[in-house]
Amino acid sequence: EPEVTQTPSHQVTQMGQEVILRCVPISNHLYFYWYRQILGQKVEFLVSFYNNEISEKSEIFDDQFSVERPDGSNFTLKIRSTKLEDSAMYFCASAPAVLGYEQYFGPGTRLTVT
Amino acid sequence: AQSVTQPDIHITVSEGASLELRCNYSYGATPYLFWYVQSPGQGLQLLLKYFSGDTLVQGIKGFEAEFKRSQSSFNLRKPSVHWSDAAEYFCAVGKTSYDKVIFGPGTSLSVIP
Repeated sequence: EPEVTQTPSHQVTQMGQEVILRCVPISNHLYFYWYRQILGQKVEFLVSFYNNEISEKSEIFDDQFSVERPDGSNFTLKIRSTKLEDSAMYFCASAPAVLGYEQYFGPGTRLTVT
Repeated sequence: AQSVTQPDIHITVSEGASLELRCNYSYGATPYLFWYVQSPGQGLQLLLKYFSGDTLVQGIKGFEAEFKRSQSSFNLRKPSVHWSDAAEYFCAVGKTSYDKVIFGPGTSLSVIP
C-alpha cells in the first residue's frame, strides 16, 4: 500500500537555525499539507498546497515558514529561524483530487529546538 | 469556521468494558468526519471516516461511529475494549475529503486490567 514518508524522523537544531523537513507524498496525489502537534496538544493545520501554490494557510504559518515542491516527488517545509516554540511533531499529508478519499498522513518528524 | 470539541479529556475503562468517546462539531453543511488514534510518540492512524450515506460507520479494530446531524455529533464506540486500545483519540472534521482537517483536542483513553 502506498504511503507518505517523512525525513528525518527526528531533528535537533539550535534556536535561530534554519531547518528543512522533507516529505514524499503518495505519487498520484495532488493536494499536500503540513500539520504540527506540540507535545501533549492537538494537531494543528499549517498549510495546504495545490497546483504549485499555497491554497490555504493558518495563522501559525507566518513569514518564517515556507513550503516548496522542488521536484515531482518531494514536498518540503522550511523554517527560516527556529524558535523554542517551534519544537513539535510535524506531519505531512497528501490527498488525491477526488472526493471520497481522505488525506494520508506521514509518520511525522519530531523537531526539537534547543 | 469549523471546530471540534471532545468533552472528555481523559477516560478510564476496564478491559472488556464498552467505550464511547464523544465528539461534537461545528460546521454549516454536511461535514466530512474522521476519528484518528495516536499511540505515544507515534503518528496518526485513521480509525474510520464518514463522508455520506449510512450514518453508522464501521472502522478498523472493532470501532464504529454514528453521525447524528441533529446533535452535530460523531461519537466513537467499541463494545469491548482491549488493553492495546489505550491511546489518544482525535475527532476531526473537514469541508471536503481534501480540505484541511480540523482536529479536536483529543481524549486520552486508559485501560485498566
